[in-house]
Amino acid sequence: KQEVTQIPAALSVPEGENLVLNCSFTDSAIYNLQWFRQDPGKGLTSLLLIQSSQREQTSGRLNASLDKSSGRSTLYIAASQPGDSATYLCAVRGYQKVTFGTGTKLQVIP
Amino acid sequence: GAVVSQHPSWVICKSGTSVKIECRSLDFQATTMFWYRQFPKQSLMLMATSNEGSKATYEQGVEKDKFLINHASLTLSTLTVTSAHPEDSSFYICSARDDGYEQYFGPGTRLTVT
Repeated sequence: KQEVTQIPAALSVPEGENLVLNCSFTDSAIYNLQWFRQDPGKGLTSLLLIQSSQREQTSGRLNASLDKSSGRSTLYIAASQPGDSATYLCAVRGYQKVTFGTGTKLQVIP
Repeated sequence: GAVVSQHPSWVICKSGTSVKIECRSLDFQATTMFWYRQFPKQSLMLMATSNEGSKATYEQGVEKDKFLINHASLTLSTLTVTSAHPEDSSFYICSARDDGYEQYFGPGTRLTVT
């Protein structure tokens, strides 16, 4: 059974800092890994999708890496802004289904 | 890009009544759709896998008689919460899988049972 863990569970940083969110998974037999953000009471916004054959993906200030063999992914956010405050979820897609991580709640303080 | 919609976006119902949530793939056909629920401050948990034209597959611990899933067409799956109780209050999200096996997520439906 796939288990996905995100560390830290919560993070508070001052505006402008660079930060790293971590996601680890137990079963390396995956199709892809996806990072989402979720604002309070809202649905999911897809940020980055990394296929199992890829090492990283970049979009603007976001960079996600994938090390499938070690079961790890990181989401790097550069020059954080208050608008980045949200819960960040990683989701691992296996052969049968998608398993979501526990989430990291990020607060960027102005 | 592929779009998945959900209706309603939020609903309040009284305890004991049933409520139906729709999930639609707007610009692609989806033979498989998934239903997730999210309790406050928790992550999304898969409830069931919905296959067009056949019975849904429920995850362990999910009551199939309480959460009725109907995938009647290639663009529509519905989740009916029967005899709703306050503990069913949650955020329900669906996703649809296209021919390339990518999943696209709906915006979610917030259910509050009073």
